[in-house]
Amino acid sequence: DAGITQSPRYKITETGRQVTLMCHQTWSHSYMFWYRQDLGHGLRLIYYSAAADITDKGEVPDGYVVSRSKTENFPLTLESATRSQTSVYFCASRTGVQPQHFGDGTRLSIL
Amino acid sequence: DAKTTQPNSMESNEEEPVHLPCNHSTISGTDYIHWYRQLPSQGPEYVIHGLTSNVNNRMASLAIAEDRKSSTLILHRATLRDAAVYYCILDGTSYDKVIFGPGTSLSVIP
Repeated sequence: DAGITQSPRYKITETGRQVTLMCHQTWSHSYMFWYRQDLGHGLRLIYYSAAADITDKGEVPDGYVVSRSKTENFPLTLESATRSQTSVYFCASRTGVQPQHFGDGTRLSIL
Repeated sequence: DAKTTQPNSMESNEEEPVHLPCNHSTISGTDYIHWYRQLPSQGPEYVIHGLTSNVNNRMASLAIAEDRKSSTLILHRATLRDAAVYYCILDGTSYDKVIFGPGTSLSVIP
């Protein structure tokens, strides 16, 4: 089915570990985004990508790495996880100025 | 950065209309006004967007002030499934400046 999928839906890991969150979209949208959402806050942009091999920082990029070798995939990596990165992570995609389509999120807990 | 201001929470009775306000006094000429909503344990869902004129779709209506410094999302008949956090955001051509604030948490009373 067409859409945007995130995996895993839930993840528990330990501080210092590397963890990668996956995002896949089937629409061939040029733009993709990663947000984090903490309790009581709105979404904060971590990184975004305008096309394959083009990425840029958002509001809160520290501690995260992204890549976009293929249009449909936009993985987010926490190179050395910290407790402050415990959050719900949302991936989104869009084309042009059309609205964003969001995935269902990944709930990440770092112990 | 263009930001929006919304009430933290609102309540509505089921089957009554709901008017969700949003202030955006620093809006620029190229900013679209987008509304999204987020149901519990889900990602945000697009509701409606507009630039200058009022807009209607199957989910809601969007009323935009003449000076574009405020807008109102209108749900014509609230249902229990409309209970969600509603976000009003300004979306132009600078994607790093799209800011989601805390939104308005809408409660629908049966």
